[in-house]
Amino acid sequence: DVKVTQSSRYLVKRTGEKVFLECVQDMDHENMFWYRQDPGLGLRLIYFSYDVKMKEKGDIPEGYSVSREKKERFSLILESASTNQTSMYLCASSPPGAAEAQETQYFGPGTRLLVL
Amino acid sequence: KNQVEQSPQSLIILEGKNCTLQCNYTVSPFSNLRWYKQDTGRGPVSLTIMTFSENTKSNGRYTATLDADTKQSSLHITASQLSDSASYICVTGGSYIPTFGRGTSLIVHP
Repeated sequence: DVKVTQSSRYLVKRTGEKVFLECVQDMDHENMFWYRQDPGLGLRLIYFSYDVKMKEKGDIPEGYSVSREKKERFSLILESASTNQTSMYLCASSPPGAAEAQETQYFGPGTRLLVL
Repeated sequence: KNQVEQSPQSLIILEGKNCTLQCNYTVSPFSNLRWYKQDTGRGPVSLTIMTFSENTKSNGRYTATLDADTKQSSLHITASQLSDSASYICVTGGSYIPTFGRGTSLIVHP
């Protein structure tokens, strides 16, 4: 079974802090994604990566950056956390073939971030 | 702009009853449609995936249908159980980035 893990289930940070969210997958997937999920808005793509050291902006990259130094790990960074970044953050991975969107994404359990 | 619209936004049914969730999409290019189930506080889990050439796909008590001509899909849940209480998300693919619907929140009451 594919396993996608996220470093924290719950996180509380203060405005202005630098926040790191870590995601690790154990199935050697090329593609990894970061989403945020807010009530009534559904999942919105922040960044994705299709290979080590490669990254692409999603729909809402402002205020975020990412790092993919190893294939299995994809990190989301909030350079200076703000209250409007309070949200549920979901990481996902998928095997090759996502360019044709034939492959299912596998999601982690999510990190619920509260910025005070 | 690619869009996926789901209805109803929320639904309450009694245990044992059937229900149908709807998904309409305006996505191009389109190659497949997936339904995910998301339990509260958890990440989404895939239920079904259908390519544009498939009309129906089942996974236990879950049956998804796809009409690529009218760009509509439905998810039918048979003999609902309390554990079916969750959010159900419709997702379309065709380009590199999938397009997500906002989900239907289903509550099954005993």
